[in-house]
Amino acid sequence: DTAVSQTPKYLVTQMGNDKSIKCEQNLGHDTMYWYKQDSKKFLKIMFSYNNKELIINETVPNRFSPKSPDKAHLNLHINSLELGDSAVYFCASSSDTGELFFGEGSRLTVL
Amino acid sequence: AQSVTQPDIHITVSEGASLELRCNYSYGATPYLFWYVQSPGQGLQLLLKYFSGDTLVQGIKGFEAEFKRSQSSFNLRKPSVHWSDAAEYFCAVGNNNAGNMLTFGGGTRLMVKP
Repeated sequence: DTAVSQTPKYLVTQMGNDKSIKCEQNLGHDTMYWYKQDSKKFLKIMFSYNNKELIINETVPNRFSPKSPDKAHLNLHINSLELGDSAVYFCASSSDTGELFFGEGSRLTVL
Repeated sequence: AQSVTQPDIHITVSEGASLELRCNYSYGATPYLFWYVQSPGQGLQLLLKYFSGDTLVQGIKGFEAEFKRSQSSFNLRKPSVHWSDAAEYFCAVGNNNAGNMLTFGGGTRLMVKP
């Protein structure tokens, strides 16, 4: 049973398109995150949700919109994709101890 | 603001040799510290963590790390490296406020020579 699962694993699309990445965790955690990993492997937090409420929103273009229908799901929708959005996007969840559990990542390529 | 520096971008060691990966952090209070490993095409897996107490922490796969407050460091060590340890290693600092947000270092790529 995968603890944090995200789909799709690979996504190739054209500039200007809109795409979504879905994430689900079955760990019962209250907090979920989206991280972006760029081509140099640098990991940067984008969003954090606690019990479906947004608690961290780093400097991210408003083309990126997270949605949390319930505390086990945190989806990421991206409008008007740009070349610079190409990256690996990681979903994660955490318990009260602060340890993050990551999904396997979704590699987005914008052509 | 919290930050993490991993001074070594790449490290190459021979199989069976010892390993130390450096991590320095900047944080105002007692930090929560983590080491994660990322194999190619995979997500990040937790190796070990430090919250409080004994400053030498043991992790999975034979790894350990030592928290040194005076040096603001949390270096990762392994006495004998295996070829399967080749991966990207990330140090991270967090706090239990601000939604458990972790700040990651830039990573160290470990290569293992036969």
